[in-house]
Amino acid sequence: DIQMTQSPSTLSASVGDRVTITCRASQNIGSWLAWYQQKPGKAPKLLIYKASSLESGVPSRFRGSGSGTEFALTISSLQPDDFATYYCQQYDSYSFGPGTKVDIK
Amino acid sequence: EVQLLESGGKLVQPGGSLRLSCAASGFTFSSYGLSWVRQAPGKGLEWVSGISGGGGRTDYADSVKGRFTISRDNSKNTLYLQMNSLRVDDTAVYYCAKGPGYAVSHLENWGQGILVTVSS
Repeated sequence: DIQMTQSPSTLSASVGDRVTITCRASQNIGSWLAWYQQKPGKAPKLLIYKASSLESGVPSRFRGSGSGTEFALTISSLQPDDFATYYCQQYDSYSFGPGTKVDIK
Repeated sequence: EVQLLESGGKLVQPGGSLRLSCAASGFTFSSYGLSWVRQAPGKGLEWVSGISGGGGRTDYADSVKGRFTISRDNSKNTLYLQMNSLRVDDTAVYYCAKGPGYAVSHLENWGQGILVTVSS
């Protein structure tokens, strides 16, 4: 089974900060990686698919990068609406990472 | 507009069974792969199971293999998850989610989720 890890588990940041979350796969998954945002009590929302493709309607301040086993989600300028938990998911065998909570510094 | 509406969640005793349903609208149901994803209280997301558009391919997480069965009725635009031999650690909000194409893939659209509680 492919195991996914994320770092950090929690990230404290301010509005306007540049934020980067990393995701690692235990084996090569090519570009088969997605990123989701989830707010408390809500369903997850797709942000990025195929490692770097921006889902329609998602602001351009979200950027995905990487391939193989190392991936990153970067938010170029954190907005108030971005405080949430972020998950990566590999869709070779579909497992999710443990999540990164982005909270207010 | 894509809509996914889960139903069937309730309190069930350990060892019991439950069937979840997900009624879909707003897209050509038989053309899209679907998945079930769950989230235990205060925990992260766990992919549970997926099924291709025609229903010919199914996949399961190791944690539910042999206990859960995913199926779909393309004439009724409905996805199902039959859950048997339920355990306390199956307690979670269960989401159904739609992918971008026929095969199981990343998840573009999600339902609002339904709570399943396994407890004596």
